[in-house]
Amino acid sequence: AQSVTQLDSHVSVSEGTPVLLRCNYSSSYSPSLFWYVQHPNKGLQLLLKYTTGATLVKGINGFEAEFKKSETSFHLTKPSAHMSDAAEYFCVVSRKGSTLGRLYFGRGTQLTVWP
Amino acid sequence: KAGVTQTPRYLIKTRGQQVTLSCSPISGHRSVSWYQQTPGQGLQFLFEYFSETQRNKGNFPGRFSGRQFSNSRSEMNVSTLELGDSALYLCASSQGTVSNQPQHFGDGTRLSIL
Repeated sequence: AQSVTQLDSHVSVSEGTPVLLRCNYSSSYSPSLFWYVQHPNKGLQLLLKYTTGATLVKGINGFEAEFKKSETSFHLTKPSAHMSDAAEYFCVVSRKGSTLGRLYFGRGTQLTVWP
Repeated sequence: KAGVTQTPRYLIKTRGQQVTLSCSPISGHRSVSWYQQTPGQGLQFLFEYFSETQRNKGNFPGRFSGRQFSNSRSEMNVSTLELGDSALYLCASSQGTVSNQPQHFGDGTRLSIL
């Protein structure tokens, strides 16, 4: 079984300050992990993914995430928030190597960026 | 390359009716998955099709069905609509061979049931 827990439903930061969105996962198998972002009335856009190799993963728009197996975590960070980062963020897990294209989503973290 | 296209973007129906939603995947992608997004339940997996075969199915009643055509386009059908079916329905496509290939999402169809 696989599941994702996003530890904060809402995060507020000031523009120019660091962003931290926390995600813990549970998986009976080796996981593939993703972060997606959703802007209002839009679909989900892939920010970054971890499947194998380097545990620090860099994504688009300055975001990065670190896979920590011992902590079963995959937290998303950005050094300096921008107003355009305001959106909902989803941490996602799937079973690595599986041919079954099913994603398991967290409940999402709404990021607010204050000017 | 064109992205995932979902039509229509918005739909209003009444209880008891049925509805068909359409999804055109990215060219070359053979897997299409459907998700339901609601404020109460979040994002829930409906089903996945690969090469015209349903490969995986979520925990939804039989009123929800889908199919995939030989050109990988997919349709989702919901019969006997209920108020609780109001949601954003998202389609995602991927090359589909293994799960580490990311899924690319369309902008969704927002279905409102009156």
